[in-house]
Amino acid sequence: GENVEQHPSTLSVQEGDSAVIKCTYSDSASNYFPWYKQELGKGPQLIIDIRSNVGEKKDQRIAVTLNKTAKHFSLHITETQPEDSAVYFCAAFTQGGSEKLVFGKGTKLTVNP
Amino acid sequence: DTGVSQNPRHKITKRGQNVTFRCDPISEHNRLYWYRQTLGQGPEFLTYFQNEAQLEKSRLLSDRFSAERPKGSFSTLEIQRTEQGDSAMYLCASSRGGSYNSPLHFGNGTRLTVT
Repeated sequence: GENVEQHPSTLSVQEGDSAVIKCTYSDSASNYFPWYKQELGKGPQLIIDIRSNVGEKKDQRIAVTLNKTAKHFSLHITETQPEDSAVYFCAAFTQGGSEKLVFGKGTKLTVNP
Repeated sequence: DTGVSQNPRHKITKRGQNVTFRCDPISEHNRLYWYRQTLGQGPEFLTYFQNEAQLEKSRLLSDRFSAERPKGSFSTLEIQRTEQGDSAMYLCASSRGGSYNSPLHFGNGTRLTVT
């Protein structure tokens, strides 16, 4: 089955700096890659997603890139703000296979003011 | 869109007791998923429904766990004879069809503590 690895497990940046979180997946048939943000005591909230027919997607300060050949995808947050502090999860989904999201173990991002 | 609703938010129970959680998905969503999350880990898939049909169950879902979605709307997850290892956050999510076409929307979870 699908396996998703996520790095780093913790990331601390200064306000205004950029943050990058990287994930790799094992199933080459995976075709949908969402990123979720989870704040303390809450469920994961979708922040951006990318499908396998696209290499990059941007939404304001957040961007995601996908390299299907290397089976890598990354989350980029620019101009970080203290409210970006949270745990971020990447995930992979295979349509037509086992139709469930498989999550990475998460990255705890701390943005220091 | 009122979001995915889960009840209760917190549950403390003694080992050996049975517990039941409820999930109300977003109204037009036909898929409903249950995940479990332990501290410092990502959500782990337990099971999912398309309408009232339970289409897949994880090996994590031992015979003490049972999930239902009787009318294709709300779902319940029951854990019988709870063990301390069952302590976790239980998350419910819903989507309109498969995730490729419609993202999963998560509720805020039910935190179970087994003493």
